Amino acid sequence: RKEVEQDPGPFNVPEGATVAFNCTYSNSASQSFFWYRQDCRKEPKLLMSVYSSGNEDGRFTAQLNRASQYISLLIRDSKLSDSATYLCAVTPRTRGGNKLTFGTGTQLKVEL
Amino acid sequence: DAMVIQNPRYQVTQFGKPVTLSCSQTLNHNVMYWYQQKSSQAPKLLFHYYDKDFNNEADTPDNFQSRRPNTSFCFLDIRSPGLGDTAMYLCATSTPGLAGGGETQYFGPGTRLLVL
Repeated sequence: RKEVEQDPGPFNVPEGATVAFNCTYSNSASQSFFWYRQDCRKEPKLLMSVYSSGNEDGRFTAQLNRASQYISLLIRDSKLSDSATYLCAVTPRTRGGNKLTFGTGTQLKVEL
Repeated sequence: DAMVIQNPRYQVTQFGKPVTLSCSQTLNHNVMYWYQQKSSQAPKLLFHYYDKDFNNEADTPDNFQSRRPNTSFCFLDIRSPGLGDTAMYLCATSTPGLAGGGETQYFGPGTRLLVL
């Protein structure tokens, strides 16, 4: 079983739609959780960290469910510019730097 | 303002010909990472430095080496590139948070390596 698993998609949605992605992780010792956005042939860019209480940033909402070991990302009112691959990443609690383990990403295509 | 800079952005090399990729940062971060990302795959951590302490991932091939001569620079050396090493190589930096975890990693733009 992969440490971090995501549905690769693609998710094709119309502009204005709400879309949700899930990501499951296998290491129960994972302590920090993130969603990254990666555009084609570019580097991953941090979209948001995911906190236990859940957090929201504009149209984006992230949730963490430790009991079921998954994190989710909800995008409301999708824009064409949201088209990208969304990577989830987790880290264990370690000294000396975070070791991000990424999922393979979920591709989102927002269409007119 | 550029924070994590990678050079070159694109590199073509021949099978077996050594290649060095460089990464520099203006953030003064303690930790620097090298990831390998193949097409349609997740970025995979190769190794990281916490200051001068080198931490190799167990499954990183010996063909991959790294150097960090100072806080700002880190190099990835591929001693004998194979066709399977064609990938994007991403450098990232971070600085430990007070809790020892959860800090943000800042990625450079990556170097696209093609091995022919």
